[in-house]
Amino acid sequence: KAGVTQTPRYLIKTRGQQVTLSCSPISGHRSVSWYQQTPGQGLQFLFEYFSETQRNKGNFPGRFSGRQFSNSRSEMNVSTLELGDSALYLCASSLLGVGTGELFFGEGSRLTVL
Amino acid sequence: DQQVKQNSPSLSVQEGRISILNCDYTNSMFDYFLWYKKYPAEGPTFLISISSIKDKNEDGRFTVFLNKSAKHLSLHIVPSQPGDSAVYFCAAANYGQNFVFGPGTRLSVLP
Repeated sequence: KAGVTQTPRYLIKTRGQQVTLSCSPISGHRSVSWYQQTPGQGLQFLFEYFSETQRNKGNFPGRFSGRQFSNSRSEMNVSTLELGDSALYLCASSLLGVGTGELFFGEGSRLTVL
Repeated sequence: DQQVKQNSPSLSVQEGRISILNCDYTNSMFDYFLWYKKYPAEGPTFLISISSIKDKNEDGRFTVFLNKSAKHLSLHIVPSQPGDSAVYFCAAANYGQNFVFGPGTRLSVLP
């Protein structure tokens, strides 16, 4: 079956702009979670959506937001970009939700903020 | 405040030998643990998990050990192969809550 698909894979933005990233989970998975990966910091949890509702949220500022559609596809938006937002953004899908079993990750969207 | 620590940023092992990757956590509420492997330009892939009711779980060449009293887990890879060269992340959760990931350990298996 098809895996988790993230688009775009690479993008370059300038400070102050906003960006939207997309994630299509594995068919049948209702949970989509988002992570930021920066060198030396591992994967930092951003938020989780389950059946179109935000269920868990990490410690990121309000500039980071997301949503989930009825087909379980999810988008993540970052407004007023800062240089420190440069990172690999990963989404993961799971059947029952974070903390309940294996997470299936996409290949990530690498964001560079200039 | 890192709740999940992987104190070795990198590890080099000879092919055929054992690789031991370590992970420590501080939150005693964590009861479910996973290991992920990540190659460059790819997303992390699941390796093996363990819940707090067990102290060992095996899957082929991979074994995870959990020491709850020490809040420590380790991943053993035997025998190590060059294809195992990757970054390994451990992750911990209070079941049903979000996973907390460690910073990763880069494993290099030398032929």
